[in-house]
Amino acid sequence: AQKVTQAQTEISVVEKEDVTLDCVYETRDTTYYLFWYKQPPSGELVFLIRRNSFDEQNEISGRYSWNFQKSTSSFNFTITASQVVDSAVYFCALSEAAVGTALIFGKGTTLSVSS
Amino acid sequence: DAGVTQSPTHLIKTRGQQVTLRCSPKSGHDTVSWYQQALGQGPQFIFQYYEEEERQRGNFPDRFSGHQFPNYSSELNVNALLLGDSALYLCASSLGRGKPQHFGDGTRLSIL
Repeated sequence: AQKVTQAQTEISVVEKEDVTLDCVYETRDTTYYLFWYKQPPSGELVFLIRRNSFDEQNEISGRYSWNFQKSTSSFNFTITASQVVDSAVYFCALSEAAVGTALIFGKGTTLSVSS
Repeated sequence: DAGVTQSPTHLIKTRGQQVTLRCSPKSGHDTVSWYQQALGQGPQFIFQYYEEEERQRGNFPDRFSGHQFPNYSSELNVNALLLGDSALYLCASSLGRGKPQHFGDGTRLSIL
């Protein structure tokens, strides 16, 4: 069965620190998609990145970077030089091509960045 | 370019009542999904509509039903409300399999 685990419930850092959010997934499908979403206090889920199972290239977008490793079933997210505006709940999600496009979310990691 | 819009923003109901939530997808998107997010939890998939039909359903009882209209907008109906139905209900739209789902601000439903 598909499952997404975000073992870190809460993380607190000081501005300018680097922080990594962990995500481990389980799936029996060979074709699947992984996502990260950000949920600020306002409540809206903001899409950050999508990766398909055939693309293991790491990606960098500004201060954000993602490390996808199929060997360990992990899709970790790093924020470099964190800022107060990064404070939010971050969700990792999985969808399996064989099942459909429903997103299976982890429980989320609450990131608090203090100044 | 309007994103996903949901109405109402907040709603208060009592046990046993029925509720209808509404969603307009992002322009150009043809698929609408609904999620329930309890406090402190990740969103849980309820169901997805495509071409006015329910294409996929999560583990939710039949009290939860939906509809998609020809203009791709959608409704979520919940009958016989229970206290446990109190949650943030999120609508997401997308175009095609595996494509990112874009979420609305949600409807916060409180059951008294």
